[in-house]
Amino acid sequence: RKEVEQDPGPFNVPEGATVAFNCTYSNSASQSFFWYRQDCRKEPKLLMSVYSSGNEDGRFTAQLNRASQYISLLIRDSKLSDSATYLCVVASGYSTLTFGKGTMLLVSP
Amino acid sequence: DADVTQTPRNRITKTGKRIMLECSQTKGHDRMYWYRQDPGLGLRLIYYSFDVKDINKGEISDGYSVSRQAQAKFSLSLESAIPNQTALYFCATSDGGRGAYEQYFGPGTRLTVT
Repeated sequence: RKEVEQDPGPFNVPEGATVAFNCTYSNSASQSFFWYRQDCRKEPKLLMSVYSSGNEDGRFTAQLNRASQYISLLIRDSKLSDSATYLCVVASGYSTLTFGKGTMLLVSP
Repeated sequence: DADVTQTPRNRITKTGKRIMLECSQTKGHDRMYWYRQDPGLGLRLIYYSFDVKDINKGEISDGYSVSRQAQAKFSLSLESAIPNQTALYFCATSDGGRGAYEQYFGPGTRLTVT
């Protein structure tokens, strides 16, 4: 079983739609969780951290379910500029990150 | 100017050649990382360094070596390149402690081995 699994997509949605990405992780000792965003042929960048209590940043909401080892990212009111690949990322301690393969989102007019 | 730079940005080389990819950063971070990204496989960690005297193997270090010449410089070498090392290579940096979770990536080097 892969350490971090994501639906590869692509998810094709119209502008204004709400879209949700899911991610599961296998290491129950994982302590910290994140979503990174990667535009086509560009470097990944941190989008947001994921906390057990859930957290929101504008149109983006991240949730963590430790019991199910499940992470989610919800994007409301999708914009064309949201088109990118979203990487689920897991950390165990303060050492290295494990990246999922990413879920591609395509937002169309 | 970019905080994390990589040279070259693109490189085509032949099987068996030695090649070095270089990474420099102006963020003042202690930690530096090398990843490769392949379609369908995602980002995989090759080597990482937490300070100038510290080098650690990542998930896929075979066929690669690294050198941390200074806090700001971390180079990746392919001693004898092979076609399955064709990939997009990223260098990244981060602070220590909780700051390690936000990694800053360079623009990437696209390497093709023929």
